[in-house]
Amino acid sequence: EVQLVESGGGLVKPGSSLKLSCVASGFTFSSYGMHWIRQAPKKGLEWIALIYYDSSNKYYADSVKGRFTISRDNSKNTLYLEMNSLRSEDTAMYYCATYGLDYWGQGVMVTVSS
Amino acid sequence: DVVMTQTPVSLSVSLGGQVSISCRSSQSLVHNNGNTYLSWYLQKPGQSPQLLIYKVSNRFSGISDRFSGSGSGTDFTLKISRVEPDDLGVYYCGQGTQYPLTFGSGTKLEIK
Repeated sequence: EVQLVESGGGLVKPGSSLKLSCVASGFTFSSYGMHWIRQAPKKGLEWIALIYYDSSNKYYADSVKGRFTISRDNSKNTLYLEMNSLRSEDTAMYYCATYGLDYWGQGVMVTVSS
Repeated sequence: DVVMTQTPVSLSVSLGGQVSISCRSSQSLVHNNGNTYLSWYLQKPGQSPQLLIYKVSNRFSGISDRFSGSGSGTDFTLKISRVEPDDLGVYYCGQGTQYPLTFGSGTKLEIK
């Protein structure tokens, strides 16, 4: 059974940093690209980043480019999202998902507020 | 960016009934490789989104045949037949043909 479990969220102040993790199991993590997608409260879905299976390519939404970094450690079956210079508009539930968006984690909440 | 426009915003249906949700893209979703990367997702209350349909009309593993997708180019439709209580939630269309990936704003399905 495919499982994606996010962690690392919380309440932080504007300008702060936070690093999210997503631990994968039930499939060959090292063979698949992975996404981060977020959902602001009561809002729709916003794709924010993709990393290829071997980290050779990374893509970002304009809204996070230069502030967020996606990475992975295939030896630990773990996907990361490092978030810097956080803003109030980054407040959202953050989901990791497999390359085809066929499996999603349960999400982790990030709240940016003073 | 590809803009995905979903209609209606909300739907109310009786159990056993049928509904259709429309999704229109601002550009053709036909990829250079000939595939059309249009998917449908359901987000049940308090849950993460789940994939229902991929590449326009392919049901994901374990998805009931009550769900069907159709369309081409820029116009797509999700049909749900014999609606059951577990179908309630917000339905999203999403495109994977070009980056950034984009999603429709959602259609909330309520059971009468």
